[in-house]
This record gives sequence, structure tokens and C-alpha cells, in this order.
Amino acid sequence: DVKVTQSSRYLVKRTGEKVFLECVQDMDHENMFWYRQDPGLGLRLIYFSYDVKMKEKGDIPEGYSVSREKKERFSLILESASTNQTSMYLCASSRVQGMNTEAFFGQGTRLTVV
Amino acid sequence: DQQVKQNSPSLSVQEGRISILNCDYTNSMFDYFLWYKKYPAEGPTFLISISSIKDKNEDGRFTVFLNKSAKHLSLHIVPSQPGDSAVYFCAASANAGKSTFGDGTTLTVKP
Repeated sequence: DVKVTQSSRYLVKRTGEKVFLECVQDMDHENMFWYRQDPGLGLRLIYFSYDVKMKEKGDIPEGYSVSREKKERFSLILESASTNQTSMYLCASSRVQGMNTEAFFGQGTRLTVV
Repeated sequence: DQQVKQNSPSLSVQEGRISILNCDYTNSMFDYFLWYKKYPAEGPTFLISISSIKDKNEDGRFTVFLNKSAKHLSLHIVPSQPGDSAVYFCAASANAGKSTFGDGTTLTVKP
């Protein structure tokens, strides 16, 4: 059974703080993704990674960076948190690039920036 | 430019009846389509998918229909159950790449 685990369910951070959101998957998936979900805007892709140390920008990368040092772990970094980054953050993984396959999501992290 | 659209933010149906959720797309390169279900405070879970070489895929109570000429797909749930109440996201991908998601439709099934 695939498991994608996000380190926190809820986070409250102050404006200007550097924030780390961690995600770990246990099924040896090649692809990992970070999305944010906002009311009326659906899921928007922030960054994704097809392999260790590889990353590509998604649709809304501004204000974010990522790190993938190990295959199972994908971190999202908010360099200087702002109130407009208050959102639900969802990590996902999927098997291999080049295959049509579904994504498996973590439980989400509700981040509030005050 | 939103490439995947779910024009109905919400849908309410009676238990036992059919639920039909709709999704439109604009990118003709999309060749794989998925539906996910999301409960509050949980991540989305995969429900059903369809390749562009098919026009229908069925899995139990769930059927997805694809109309490529209209760039439209729909998810049918028959019969609807209260446990189906959730947000449903349509997603599409091209050449086995990353998925683009719609805004979601909140389905409420009334007992």
C-alpha cells in the first residue's frame, strides 16, 4: 500500500520566516510533486521532480524552492513566507516518467502565515 | 488560460440517483484523463482514469465517458451513496507528463 507522508498536518508561521514542508514516499516512486489547493482554484502545481536532484517549475513556482536529495524525500521551501502563501499544500508521487499512471497524495499540510 | 475546467462548483443529488460530474479541456494534446476524490482534511485519492483511445471506462459504480471531439469528459456515479459526498477533481495529462487539474466539484449526496 503506497504511503505518502507529509511531516505536519497544520503549521502556523510568521511573515518572513523560512518554512520547510517535508514529504516522504515509501514506494520507490520516481516522480514527486508539490501542489497547493485554494478554494475555487483547484490544485495548482508548484514544483515537480522526476529524479533525485532534478526539479522543474510548475505553474506557480514564485516564492518557493524545492530539494530532492534522496529518492523518497521531496521538500518544499518557502524562502520568506507571506500571507498569500496561506494554503493547503499537497505532496504527491507517481511511478515513472513516461507512463500514464495515477498520483498518490499525502494528507496535506494546512499552512497559515500570520 | 485554464486548460481543464469543471464548470459546476457544486452538485447535490439524492441517494440512489445518478451523479454526473462534468469536465472540459482545451488542450488537444491531452491523452490521459483521471478523476480523483477528496474528503476534507485528506489528500485526493485516485478514482478512475481513461485513455484517449477509449470513450468509456467502467469500474463498479463509477463510469467515465470521454468525448474527444467535444473535449469533454464526465464521471457517472450510479447509484450515488452518502459516502460519495466529497470534492471531485478532473485531471488531464499529455504524453505521460504531469497532470493539470480542474477546480473541483463538491458533490453532496443526500440520504
